[in-house]
Amino acid sequence: AQSVTQLGSHVSVSEGALVLLRCNYSSSVPPYLFWYVQYPNQGLQLLLKYTTGATLVKGINGFEAEFKKSETSFHLTKPSAHMSDAAEYFCAVTHYGGATNKLIFGTGTLLAVQP
Amino acid sequence: SQTIHQWPATLVQPVGSPLSLECTVEGTSNPNLYWYRQAAGRGLQLLFYSVGIGQISSEVPQNLSASRPQDRQFILSSKKLLLSDSGFYLCAWTQGARAEAIGYTFGSGTRLTVV
Repeated sequence: AQSVTQLGSHVSVSEGALVLLRCNYSSSVPPYLFWYVQYPNQGLQLLLKYTTGATLVKGINGFEAEFKKSETSFHLTKPSAHMSDAAEYFCAVTHYGGATNKLIFGTGTLLAVQP
Repeated sequence: SQTIHQWPATLVQPVGSPLSLECTVEGTSNPNLYWYRQAAGRGLQLLFYSVGIGQISSEVPQNLSASRPQDRQFILSSKKLLLSDSGFYLCAWTQGARAEAIGYTFGSGTRLTVV
């Protein structure tokens, strides 16, 4: 079975500071990993994904994440936070194959950006 | 291009009343479809998924049911709502082939409040 753990349900940073949102996964097969962002009362939007190949992946809005197999981690970072980054972020895992391709989500991290 | 529509956006229903939420996808065929529920502080819980017309898999036993009467239509229903059914309901789709490499596209969600 696969699972995702997001450390820190709430993270607060100052505008211009580094954003680091932590995600650790558990998977007995090679994982495919995703980060989604959700603004209030909206659906989820894909930020970035790792499937195979380069372990450092870049996404929209200046975010990036690095797949570290040895640490079973896929942390999301952004060098400089902007007020518009305030939202909830979800890490998710799935794997190759299977008709259902279910995404397993973490419980989310709410990011607050202080002026 | 593909789009996903979900309605209504908000709904307030009394306990014991029926429920019908609808989700449709345009611009694709034979998508995998998913219903998630998001309760405060609990992340996203997969409720149902469907890989084809009339094919429904339930992830969590509960007061809800799902149906897929057409290829690109997915309906979430209840005969009698409970207070615990309140939450934010999200529909999502992905393409069956290589879905794990694509990720999901989410609808804008329905905020259900049972009173």
